[in-house]
Amino acid sequence: GAGVSQSPRYKVAKRGQDVALRCDPISGHVSLFWYQQALGQGPEFLTYFQNEAQLDKSGLPSDRFFAERPEGSVSTLKIQRTQQEDSAVYLCASSLYRGRASYEQYFGPGTRLTVT
Amino acid sequence: AQSVSQHNHHVILSEAASLELGCNYSYGGTVNLFWYVQYPGQHLQLLLKYFSGDPLVKGIKGFEAEFIKSKFSFNLRKPSVQWSDTAEYFCAVISIKAAGNKLTFGGGTRVLVKP
Repeated sequence: GAGVSQSPRYKVAKRGQDVALRCDPISGHVSLFWYQQALGQGPEFLTYFQNEAQLDKSGLPSDRFFAERPEGSVSTLKIQRTQQEDSAVYLCASSLYRGRASYEQYFGPGTRLTVT
Repeated sequence: AQSVSQHNHHVILSEAASLELGCNYSYGGTVNLFWYVQYPGQHLQLLLKYFSGDPLVKGIKGFEAEFIKSKFSFNLRKPSVQWSDTAEYFCAVISIKAAGNKLTFGGGTRVLVKP
C-alpha cells in the first residue's frame, strides 16, 4: 500500500521567504508527527497531531514555524521568514492510534530545505 | 527530559564482520525502544522494536537487539554484515508517559561495510 508521501522533496528558499511543506500520511493513520533533521544529526520532534488536533507543539523552534492538519489527513508545515538555520530535512511520520501499533511510526522521504 | 546517545558516529568494517552499535537512553520510566535504519537515498525504516517481554528482540535482515534495563541500553547486533548493510542507524525511544508517543532519537551511526 501507499506509504507516507511528502512534497516537495527539495526546496531552495532565499532567506526571508515563506515555505510550505506538505505531508500525506498513510490512509487511516490518526497520528501525525513532524521532525526536523539537521545535517549529521538524528531527527528531532517538532509537533504532533491526533486527527486535526495539534496536541503537542513543544518542539517548534520559534513562532515562525506553524503546522496544521485541518481535516485530519494532509498536514502542512509552514515556515515564515526562513533563516539559514532552518536548513534541514523535514520528516513527516504517521501511525495508528490504538494499541501497541500506535507506537510504530512510518516515515516519509522528507523534504530537504536549503535556505540561501 | 529524556535523551538517547549512540556511542559511535562512524563505523567501518568488512563483509562478514560482526557489528554491534551501542545505544543508551536516560529515562527511568517505562519506555519503548526502536532501531531505525536509513539506507542511502531511502527514508527511515523500522529495523526492530522492543515493547516488553523477552529482552532479546529480532528484527529484519538478521539484526537483533538486547534491552538491558539496568544499564539503560539497547544495543544493536548483527553477527555477519553484508555490503548492503551500509546505512545510517538510529536508536530511538518513546516514553510511555509522554503524550503523543513522540520519538526521541540518538544522533545516528553511519556504518560502511567494505566488500
